[in-house]
Amino acid sequence: EVQLVESGGGLVKPGESLRVSCAASGFTFSLYTMTWVRQAPGKGLEWVSSIRGGSDYIYYADSVEGRFTISRDNAENSLYLQMNSLRAEDTAVYYCARESRGYFYDYWGQGTLVTVSS
Amino acid sequence: EFVLTQSPATLSLSPGERATLSCRASQSVSSDLAWYQQKPGQAPRLLMYDASNRATGIPARYSGSGSGTDFTLTISSLEPEDFAVYYCQQRSNRPLTWTFGQGTKVEIK
Repeated sequence: EVQLVESGGGLVKPGESLRVSCAASGFTFSLYTMTWVRQAPGKGLEWVSSIRGGSDYIYYADSVEGRFTISRDNAENSLYLQMNSLRAEDTAVYYCARESRGYFYDYWGQGTLVTVSS
Repeated sequence: EFVLTQSPATLSLSPGERATLSCRASQSVSSDLAWYQQKPGQAPRLLMYDASNRATGIPARYSGSGSGTDFTLTISSLEPEDFAVYYCQQRSNRPLTWTFGQGTKVEIK
């Protein structure tokens, strides 16, 4: 059974950093592109960043480019999102998701809430 | 900028009625379109991919159609568990980004 479990969310102040993680199981992690999608309170879904299985291709949304870094550890079946220079508008539930066929997400984690507030 | 526009924003229907949700892309992207359902406090769930293929475990009352720029998700007869928010999603190649529509809320009338 495919499982994605996020962790690491919490309350931080503007300008601070936070790293969220996603532990994957039930599939060959290294073969899949993995993605972070976020959802601000009461808002829609926003793609944040994607990383190919071999970490050879990495993509970011303009809204996080230069502040967030996606990475993965295939030996540990884990996905990470390092978030620096956090802003109030980064407040959201962060979901990790498995990408399939280059564009859609067939499995999602339950999400981890990141709150940026002074 | 690639944009997906969903309509209507809210659909008020009764159980047993037919729901028709629209998703329009700002530029043609063949049939590489997915639909998701999200209930309060839950992660999104994949419903459809390639515009018209149901994901594993999705009931037959869900169907999708369209290609190019205009896509439709139809729920033939609403069950109580179908009242939720629905998102469409595509990838654009120039620039390479993944985009969600703003969502359609299907609520009980």
